[in-house]
Amino acid sequence: RKEVEQDPGPFNVPEGATVAFNCTYSNSASQSFFWYRQDCRKEPKLLMSVYSSGNEDGRFTAQLNRASQYISLLIRDSKLSDSATYLCVVNNRDNDMRFGAGTRLTVKP
Amino acid sequence: DAMVIQNPRYQVTQFGKPVTLSCSQTLNHNVMYWYQQKSSQAPKLLFHYYDKDFNNEADTPDNFQSRRPNTSFCFLDIRSPGLGDAAMYLCATSSDRATNQPQHFGDGTRLSIL
Repeated sequence: RKEVEQDPGPFNVPEGATVAFNCTYSNSASQSFFWYRQDCRKEPKLLMSVYSSGNEDGRFTAQLNRASQYISLLIRDSKLSDSATYLCVVNNRDNDMRFGAGTRLTVKP
Repeated sequence: DAMVIQNPRYQVTQFGKPVTLSCSQTLNHNVMYWYQQKSSQAPKLLFHYYDKDFNNEADTPDNFQSRRPNTSFCFLDIRSPGLGDAAMYLCATSSDRATNQPQHFGDGTRLSIL
C-alpha cells in the first residue's frame, strides 16, 4: 500500500463547477499536510497547508480528518487556470515529505 | 524573484557519461532536498541535507550522489546515467526539518539520456 493515495483522476469539469479531491495517508504519526499544484512540466508549488480545523483560501477549501487519515481539497467555481495536477503531500516527523501521485484536473470552457 | 534556482533547465547527456545538476537558494534554508520525478508519477525523494548532515533514502541507487559545499548550493551527481534515469529532477528547500515547514521547489532540471 502506498503511503499517500489520491483519486486517480483525471477529472474533466466545466468552468464554474465544484470539484473535490480526496487523499488518504497510511502513517498515523504524520504531522502536517499540504496540497501542491503542479502544472505540466513545471515544479510543484504550494497551494495551501491543511489544518486540523479545516481552512479556506478563496475558492479553495481543505479539510483534514486525522481519525480517518483523510485529506480533501474542494475547488469552487472552477476556472480554466485551475487545470493542473494536484498533489497531496504528507509530512512525517523530521520533514519526511511523502507525495501522492497527483490527480489531474482539466477545466473546460 | 527566484528563490530556488536550478541549472540547467534542460540537460542532455550520453548513456554512461557523468552529469551534475546544480541547485542554489537565496532563502538561507538549512534543509535541501533532491527529488526525481518521472512522467505522471509522484516526486520521489532521493536524499536530503539537514545543514551538512546527509540523509540518503534507502532505495536511492549508488549511482546518485550529492554534495553540499555550503548553505546555498547543493549538487546532484549521476555517475553513470542510464536510460531509466531520464526524468525531471527537482530541488527543494525548507526552513527547518523539525517544524514541518512546506517545501519550496526550484523549476527543475529535465534530464534526457541519449
